[in-house]
Parts: sequence; C-alpha cells; structure tokens
Amino acid sequence: EVQLVESGGGLVKPGGSLRLSCAASGFNFRTYSMIWVRQAPGKGLEWVTSISSTSSHINYGNALKGRTTISRDNAKKSLYLQMNSLRVEDTAVYYCGRVAMSGWHPDYWGRGTLVTVSA
Amino acid sequence: QSVLTQPPSASGTPGQTVTISCSGTSSNIGSNYVYWYQQVPGTAPKLLIDRDNQRPSGVPDRFSGSKSGTSASLAISGLRSEDEAHYHCASWDDSLRFGVFGGGTKVTVL
Repeated sequence: EVQLVESGGGLVKPGGSLRLSCAASGFNFRTYSMIWVRQAPGKGLEWVTSISSTSSHINYGNALKGRTTISRDNAKKSLYLQMNSLRVEDTAVYYCGRVAMSGWHPDYWGRGTLVTVSA
Repeated sequence: QSVLTQPPSASGTPGQTVTISCSGTSSNIGSNYVYWYQQVPGTAPKLLIDRDNQRPSGVPDRFSGSKSGTSASLAISGLRSEDEAHYHCASWDDSLRFGVFGGGTKVTVL
C-alpha cells in the first residue's frame, strides 16, 4: 500500500523558516517524481514544486517562488521542502504527492501537514 | 484566485446526478488532460478521474469525466451520502509550465 506521511509543520513567525518532510513507503520511491501541493484555509489546491526521480529536474510554481527548496533522499525514501522568509499568506496545509508515471499529476497524496505563519 | 474555475458548491438528493464544471483556457484544459480529485475533509485527496475520463482501479463507475474545448465536467450519478466531499479539477498549463487547480466544489447530499 502506498503511504505518504508528512511532518514538520507547525506555528512559525513571519520571516521564519520551516523544513517539511515526507516519508514514503509501499512503492519504489527512487523511480517516481514527487510533488508538494498546498491548500490555504478555504482555498483551492496550489502547486508548490516538483522534483524528478534523480533530482535532475525541479519545477517551481508561483507559490513560495524564490523562498523554497525541494530535495529528496532516495536511500531514506524521503522528500523535503525547505521554506524560508515565510509570510502570513503561506499558511496552508502542505501535501506531499507521488507523481503518476503517465503525467505530472499526483496519483497518491499524504494527509498533509499544517503550516501556520503568525506573529 | 485559482487558474481553473469551479462552482463553489453543488448538491443533490440520493440517487440524483450531480455535475460539476471546470473552466479553463487554451493553455491548460484546451490542450492538456484534466484530472479530478475527491477530498473528504481530514483525509488525503484521492485521484478520481485520470486523463479526462479514465477511472483508476477501485473508483465506481458512478463517477465519469468529460471534456469539450476549454471546459471539463465531472458527473456523479446515483448520488450517495458517502459522495459528500470536495472535488477538485486539475490540468497542466503550457504558459505557466506547472500544474494548475480549480478552487474546489463542495458536494452536499441533501
């Protein structure tokens, strides 16, 4: 069974940093691209960033652009999202997803981790 | 504001058919596949429709997807109480060069 478990969310002050993690199991992690998507309270889903299986290709969306770094450790079956200079509007649930082999879209998602940016 | 446009809500009684629309442009829906996700509050989103109209294994055939031009639709027939959830559409955008989503539609079973 494919499982993705995010962690690392919490309360952070504006301007602060946070590193999210996503632990994967139930599939061959090193062969899949991975993605981070976020959802602000009461809003729709929003692409954050994706990374290819070998980390050779990274794609950032407009959310957190210039303030975030995605990385992965295939040996540890883990995905990471480093977020810096956080703003109140970055408050959201951050989801980790496995990218389907057939396209760019997630075919499995984690339950998400809540990031709250507030003074 | 989301790139793709969905109605914020839809509703129906058990057994009815509910249809949710998703409107985009020529750079996303008009030239790329559409995907639909179901999200029950507090749980992970689930892929419901793949590549416009394909149901992943385990998805009931009550769910169907269609696309025409720059718009797509998700139909839920034989509505059931467990279908109460948020539904999100998604597509790749050739101009933005990343995936885009709709704002989500909350389906209520009356």
